[in-house]
Amino acid sequence: SQTIHQWPATLVQPVGSPLSLECTVEGTSNPNLYWYRQAAGRGLQLLFYSVGIGQISSEVPQNLSASRPQDRQFILSSKKLLLSDSGFYLCACDEEGGYTFGSGTRLTVV
Amino acid sequence: AQSVAQPEDQVNVAEGNPLTVKCTYSVSGNPYLFWYVQYPNRGLQFLLKYITGDNLVKGSYGFEAEFNKSQTSFHLKKPSALVSDSALYFCAVREPNQAGTALIFGKGTTLSVSS
Repeated sequence: SQTIHQWPATLVQPVGSPLSLECTVEGTSNPNLYWYRQAAGRGLQLLFYSVGIGQISSEVPQNLSASRPQDRQFILSSKKLLLSDSGFYLCACDEEGGYTFGSGTRLTVV
Repeated sequence: AQSVAQPEDQVNVAEGNPLTVKCTYSVSGNPYLFWYVQYPNRGLQFLLKYITGDNLVKGSYGFEAEFNKSQTSFHLKKPSALVSDSALYFCAVREPNQAGTALIFGKGTTLSVSS
């Protein structure tokens, strides 16, 4: 089965600073990958998904972007963070019809 | 468009009592349905899924769910709740045969089991 690594686990960043969150996958090749944001410990909002290297689909227009430079690497970025970007960011990978999730990154923008 | 509804923000139950966490869905065709659990500041963990076959699905930690096509429901159940079951539970749906499409999640239900 797949394993997803996300880092860092927690991050505190000032408003206007850049962001880079990384997700890597082990145990599979050519996975479909997803970035979700969870605000206030509740529902999951799909941000981006990727079906292959360089292929990114955006679900929500915002100041975040995603890239997939390698088959098993998925990066979430921002040039200038907003307070509203605070939340819990989860990376996920397709597995047997559902998902395997990473352990998440708690981002606090101050 | 596919959607999932979890009508209860919170479910409270005493330890040892049966529990039910409700989920209804809307999707064209026969859905793929999932339950995930989340503990504080952790990623989501898979509990069980319905793809095809028996309507009663058994999963991890003694949980089960019943797929009811006529009521478009997939309620999560456990015969005897434990305090350690207290967590946030998510129902999710996916359109069939669409491996590249994303899961759609409900807003989550907080389960609180009291001793």
